[in-house]
Amino acid sequence: GAVVSQHPSWVICKSGTSVKIECRSLDFQATTMFWYRQFPKQSLMLMATSNEGSKATYEQGVEKDKFLINHASLTLSTLTVTSAHPEDSSFYICSQLVPGGNIQYFGAGTRLSVL
Amino acid sequence: ELKVEQNPLFLSMQEGKNYTIYCNYSTTSDRLYWYRQDPGKSLESLFVLLSNGAVKQEGRLMASLDTKARLSTLHITAAVHDLSATYFCAVEPATSNFGNEKLTFGTGTRLTIIP
Repeated sequence: GAVVSQHPSWVICKSGTSVKIECRSLDFQATTMFWYRQFPKQSLMLMATSNEGSKATYEQGVEKDKFLINHASLTLSTLTVTSAHPEDSSFYICSQLVPGGNIQYFGAGTRLSVL
Repeated sequence: ELKVEQNPLFLSMQEGKNYTIYCNYSTTSDRLYWYRQDPGKSLESLFVLLSNGAVKQEGRLMASLDTKARLSTLHITAAVHDLSATYFCAVEPATSNFGNEKLTFGTGTRLTIIP
């Protein structure tokens, strides 16, 4: 199957700092990527849809100025959590659609802990 | 708003037993996905169900879709310890462009198989 590389896998940072998470497609060019957030023992909640070359579409309740998404190339999307606070601590997962396919392939996830 | 509910939320069962996990959704859809998540890991795609009456099987797992009842089932046959994980169903709205729309995830079913 398609390989989606997400980096870093775990990050601990101080409150007020910014953290960038990368999601790379290693096997194909992804025009659309998705960013999810998962709190402990809960389901995945879609944060935003990232489209190459255009602005991301954010879900209701997700602050676009806090969660900056950049999809500058067909193989890379980044999520930057700006001025992180402890309540932003969560598991962040990206996914990508194979062009012409109907399966989303998920990255390994990034566990963010904000102290 | 599309809502997806899974039942049960938690399930503990002995090896060798059979059980079914249910996924109900609230709006018209004929695209349903099942994923597996191990603790601390990302999601692994299990099944893609794309039409009413679709049935797919892989090893001890079998998934089915009834679009009229808005119900999907994941049946476990003769469970083994390796199947312990959290299982999510996810639904794509029928109004979406095929393969290019956000998924709404179910609540998840945490399955523990006891030796």
